[in-house]
Amino acid sequence: AIQLTQSPSSLSASVGDRVTITCRASQGISSALAWHQQKPGKGPNLLIYDASSLQSGVPSRFSGSGSGTDFTLTISSLQPEDFATYYCQQFNSYPLTFGPGTKVDIK
Amino acid sequence: QVHLQESGPGLVKPSETLSLTCTVSGYSISGGYYWGWIRQPPGKGLEWIGSISHSGTTYYNPSLKSRVTISLDTSKKQFSLKLSSVTAADTAVYYCARASPTDWFDSWGQGTLVTVSS
Repeated sequence: AIQLTQSPSSLSASVGDRVTITCRASQGISSALAWHQQKPGKGPNLLIYDASSLQSGVPSRFSGSGSGTDFTLTISSLQPEDFATYYCQQFNSYPLTFGPGTKVDIK
Repeated sequence: QVHLQESGPGLVKPSETLSLTCTVSGYSISGGYYWGWIRQPPGKGLEWIGSISHSGTTYYNPSLKSRVTISLDTSKKQFSLKLSSVTAADTAVYYCARASPTDWFDSWGQGTLVTVSS
């Protein structure tokens, strides 16, 4: 199975900050990566698919990049509603796997 | 807009079978998307359980394959999960989700907590 690691595991940031989260795959997955946002007590919400495609309805301050084994999710200007946990997900091969998550909280 | 809603018992006894149903509205379950189950133990990350295509082909996580069955009922606009021989390690919030044909999950249910305990 393809393993995903994320860094950092948590971070503290202020409203307006630029935030970058990294996801690394244990083997190459081309661009078969998605990013999901999860708020406490809620189901996840898709932000990015195919590594860099913005899901419809998601604010443009979210962006994704990368291919192969290294990927990033960037929030250009952190907003109060962005404090949440972020998960990467690979869909290059079964079994589908998720990263361990990055929790973004308020500094 | 597609909406998914999980339903089923919130408490299951050890060694018994966990059964959950996901009801889909706002999109034809017979359309070109896939339908999946994912779980999240309390305070932990997400684990894919398995998926089923619109034609009924199933894909399971090898770590759970011997205990999992996912099925589709197009007449009821539902798909279901059965997980047999459960233990406390199966206690989790269970999510149903819609997946693109290339398997990224684009719509999720709100989740349902299932506790395994006697």
